[in-house]
Amino acid sequence: ETGVTQTPRHLVMGMTNKKSLKCEQHLGHNAMYWYKQSAKKPLELMFVYNFKEQTENNSVPSRFSPECPNSSHLFLHLHTLQPEDSALYLCASSQISTGFNSNQPQHFGDGTRLSIL
Amino acid sequence: DQQVKQNSPSLSVQEGRISILNCDYTNSMFDYFLWYKKYPAEGPTFLISISSIKDKNEDGRFTVFLNKSAKHLSLHIVPSQPGDSAVYFCAASALEINTGFQKLVFGTGTRLLVSP
Repeated sequence: ETGVTQTPRHLVMGMTNKKSLKCEQHLGHNAMYWYKQSAKKPLELMFVYNFKEQTENNSVPSRFSPECPNSSHLFLHLHTLQPEDSALYLCASSQISTGFNSNQPQHFGDGTRLSIL
Repeated sequence: DQQVKQNSPSLSVQEGRISILNCDYTNSMFDYFLWYKKYPAEGPTFLISISSIKDKNEDGRFTVFLNKSAKHLSLHIVPSQPGDSAVYFCAASALEINTGFQKLVFGTGTRLLVSP
């Protein structure tokens, strides 16, 4: 039990489908993240939400659309994806505070394995 | 250009011996470093971290060493156990003081196999 829950764990979709990935954190954190892990590549940050405001969009194509309705929930809406979007999508959360020595680790969910046909 | 590099894709160690996983980085602005462990079909689990103001942090069997001049960090596991077999990721970030935002940059991971 990581405190960060992602659903579904596996998703197969066609390029014309629309689907959503869901993430929920039970850690009381105020920041949530979406990462993408492709085969043989390091984890890549996609989006960051800090206090429900999107503070980072790491040059992600518009076919990925994040939504953060509150500090505990994060969605990633998918539409017209490409085969190269097949990857493991990981959600993470952390407690962000300002000032020196305020670093806190990010905690990850188990991911959604996405396959685009 | 990869800012965080784990040059050893795999490492095999016997149970009871020391495992040493290495990580190099290029960005001198990084001030926070973490190690994560990942089992198959699970997400990365936070293991241990170190701030750039320190050169060593210890937690039980796990110790992280930071050499800022060499831009190098390592994770030592002593004694190694079969349950430690997993993929280990090194990550680094530069803290934005005003926002508290921390953008993690990950290495590609090292697969550790601890044999009985």
